[in-house]
Amino acid sequence: DVVLTQTPVSLSVTLGDQASISCRSSQSLEYSDGYTYLEWYLQKPGQSPQLLIYEVSNRFSGVPDRFIGSGSGTDFTLKISRVEPEDLGVYYCFQATHDPLTFGSGTKLEIK
Amino acid sequence: EVQLQESGPGLVKPSQSLSLTCSVTGYSITSNYWGWIRKFPGNKMEWMGYISYSGSTSYNPSLKSRISITRDTSKNQFFLQLNSVTTEDTATYYCATYTEAFAYWGQGTLVTVSS
Repeated sequence: DVVLTQTPVSLSVTLGDQASISCRSSQSLEYSDGYTYLEWYLQKPGQSPQLLIYEVSNRFSGVPDRFIGSGSGTDFTLKISRVEPEDLGVYYCFQATHDPLTFGSGTKLEIK
Repeated sequence: EVQLQESGPGLVKPSQSLSLTCSVTGYSITSNYWGWIRKFPGNKMEWMGYISYSGSTSYNPSLKSRISITRDTSKNQFFLQLNSVTTEDTATYYCATYTEAFAYWGQGTLVTVSS
């Protein structure tokens, strides 16, 4: 199975500052069709997970441009610029390139 | 807008079967992929499997032969059955639909396995 290693495990950020989360894969996530199926989700307290980013860097409808996904191959990053109170929760990376599909272990973002 | 809602028993005894229903409105399950995902106590998330627009299925091998995902297109519902459950299957279970990603999720249902 593909292992996605997320760092850090937790992150405490001052409002208005930038946060950065890393997701490293145990193998390349580029599929044979040339696409890379790496996604980012946020689970806010008491809510279902919500899609932020798909195919490494595409923001889902309604996601603020403060959320920026980047990376390729095995190394990926989610940056959140100008952190706001509603950004708190647990962030997950997820890969849909290889079966079985797998999640990262999660990064908890707290507001200082 | 696509809406999904899970339903089913919140308590299941060990060795029995867990059965959940995902009711979908706003989109036909004969399009896209429709999956089950669970979140264990703590943060661990696990993709369990999906049923496609054509009715084909794919399962996480970690669940071996315990899992079955089926559908009723006339009711626009799909189902999860997990057999021979143990306390380690205690989790919040989500249904979701996959197009370019898991864009829409149900609210989740907590299933506790306990005698």
